[in-house]
Amino acid sequence: KAGVTQTPRYLIKTRGQQVTLSCSPISGHRSVSWYQQTPGQGLQFLFEYFSETQRNKGNFPGRFSGRQFSNSRSEMNVSTLELGDSALYLCASSTLAGADTQYFGPGTRLTVL
Amino acid sequence: DQQVKQNSPSLSVQEGRISILNCDYTNSMFDYFLWYKKYPAEGPTFLISISSIKDKNEDGRFTVFLNKSAKHLSLHIVPSQPGDSAVYFCAARGLGGLTFGKGTHLIIQP
Repeated sequence: KAGVTQTPRYLIKTRGQQVTLSCSPISGHRSVSWYQQTPGQGLQFLFEYFSETQRNKGNFPGRFSGRQFSNSRSEMNVSTLELGDSALYLCASSTLAGADTQYFGPGTRLTVL
Repeated sequence: DQQVKQNSPSLSVQEGRISILNCDYTNSMFDYFLWYKKYPAEGPTFLISISSIKDKNEDGRFTVFLNKSAKHLSLHIVPSQPGDSAVYFCAARGLGGLTFGKGTHLIIQP
């Protein structure tokens, strides 16, 4: 079974731009969660989607948004990029919302200049 | 306010010895705890978990202990192997999804 895939793997943007990251969950998984990893803050929860509905949201500004499609693929969008948005963005999938175990993709490394 | 804390940013252990990674939490509503392992340039990989109704779970060389009264859990790796060198994240499940600690970088010395 293929794992979680994320595209692109690396991205460089400038301040003020917007970016869209994509995540394809493991086949059969209907829940997708997004995390931001930075050296200072570790892994921080952004939001979780299940059956195209946002189920949980972390403590991030409204510039961070996401959506999930009927095939469970998910995208997250960051608008008006700031230098502090430079991070590794990780997507994780699980069979159900709030499931015990999540399976992570390799992440998208975003650099904001 | 950090609800899940891993107070040791790094830990160095000799190959063959026991590695003990610690994690403290503050939210008594957490009902499930997990450990993930992460290599550079890869996403975290699930390692082992424990329900709040148990105090120990074992899987091969990995054992997780939970002390609910102290709000403390630990991961024991015996014996430690070079491939265990990685960053280990403790995570707890609550109403808002998983909350992760900042990780402990485990270095296994030959």
